Amino acid sequence: QVQLVQSGSELKKPGASVKVSCKASGYTFTTYAMMWLRQAPGQGLEWMGWISTNTGNPTYAQGFTGRFVFSLDTSVSTAYLQITSLKAEDTAFYYCARFLPADGTFDPWGQGTLVTVSS
Amino acid sequence: EIVMTQSPATLSVSPGERATLSCRASQSVSSNLAWYQQKLGQAPRLLIYAASTRATGIPARFSGSGSGTEFTLTISSLQSEDLAVYYCQQYSNWPPFTFGQGTKVEIK
Repeated sequence: QVQLVQSGSELKKPGASVKVSCKASGYTFTTYAMMWLRQAPGQGLEWMGWISTNTGNPTYAQGFTGRFVFSLDTSVSTAYLQITSLKAEDTAFYYCARFLPADGTFDPWGQGTLVTVSS
Repeated sequence: EIVMTQSPATLSVSPGERATLSCRASQSVSSNLAWYQQKLGQAPRLLIYAASTRATGIPARFSGSGSGTEFTLTISSLQSEDLAVYYCQQYSNWPPFTFGQGTKVEIK
């Protein structure tokens, strides 16, 4: 079945970096773009941007430029989200989700990765 | 950017009763609207797309309606497992994709 499996929770200090992985299975990885979304504790969903799994070209939403980097390793069907210069306000669940362009929807989603930034 | 507004913030419904959730767009999104269900501690799951089409495996008690700026998600007979937060999302005019702030469905 189609599945996205993300890496485990991370606890980081302010100023550090983190890299979250999202491994896809059950479909041809390069057929569908990958979206990244953020959900702060107890809050709603925020779209961070997406990466073309065909070209590797990333697109970042407003507010997610500079410290956020999307990348791929197509040999292992995995997408990555790296966040540098972490701040306390980056504490959140981060989700990857496959983009279905025919429907404009995200399906499925990874299980989420909690990144906690605390000194 | 299209702003999505959901109401109410919290909805308490007895088992077996109907639950009606609303979503309003700040401008027309035609039928380019999806609904997601997020249970506690889980990732969101696609329920409805194209405003009224159920995703694969979604029970028939979930239905969506509306077009333009006004949309509704109806759970015809609420089950205990439907306890969750429900989000609407527009994909008419992107980037960015935008979500409503969510409606929490509680079991009365």
